[in-house]
Amino acid sequence: LAKTTQPISMDSYEGQEVNITCSHNNIATNDYITWYQQFPSQGPRFIIQGYKTKVTNEVASLFIPADRKSSTLSLPRVSLSDTAVYYCLVGVWGGTASKLTFGTGTRLQVTL
Amino acid sequence: KAGVTQTPRYLIKTRGQQVTLSCSPISGHRSVSWYQQTPGQGLQFLFEYFSETQRNKGNFPGRFSGRQFSNSRSEMNVSTLELGDSALYLCASSLGTFSGLGEKLFFGSGTQLSVL
Repeated sequence: LAKTTQPISMDSYEGQEVNITCSHNNIATNDYITWYQQFPSQGPRFIIQGYKTKVTNEVASLFIPADRKSSTLSLPRVSLSDTAVYYCLVGVWGGTASKLTFGTGTRLQVTL
Repeated sequence: KAGVTQTPRYLIKTRGQQVTLSCSPISGHRSVSWYQQTPGQGLQFLFEYFSETQRNKGNFPGRFSGRQFSNSRSEMNVSTLELGDSALYLCASSLGTFSGLGEKLFFGSGTQLSVL
């Protein structure tokens, strides 16, 4: 799996929708994308996971286009507390074990 | 429920020494995986243990090793430390064997290792 890239940083105002994209090789239909949020001095925290076209939970949505060469985390109506670094994790099944690759991380800054 | 606990929180070692890091998973979780986080390389998967067996391994030299005990607690060892081993080492636990496919990881706060 080639390097999994994300924008280095993004800025947003409170209340806006934020979309963070993770670019990777095309993945199989049963390979998973997971997104994590990390605050300073803490370990990453699970946000959302999926392998299908669209997954939604109470805090975010995950979109995977038909070519499966990228995935997008969507955060509706961000608040100041969403200021953090966001990582995608791509899990590709290799036959006997999975190949796990984290994205490069996106630093999201939310302001008033 | 208590979260994932990693000890120690901070560690300073010198080149050539070895170090052991400890991780206690969430009660009931049988899988423990380890990760290295550095400013230059980002987050990288080291290895995963499930029921005391290593199930998956990342691209790290043999100086990095680990084990899991019958109570699911895990230790990670780095021998012959190099300056480049300075990093935040994160441990995560999950209910089932974690292959990056369908498992939700719960991370500890990490051990910050500095090699001088």
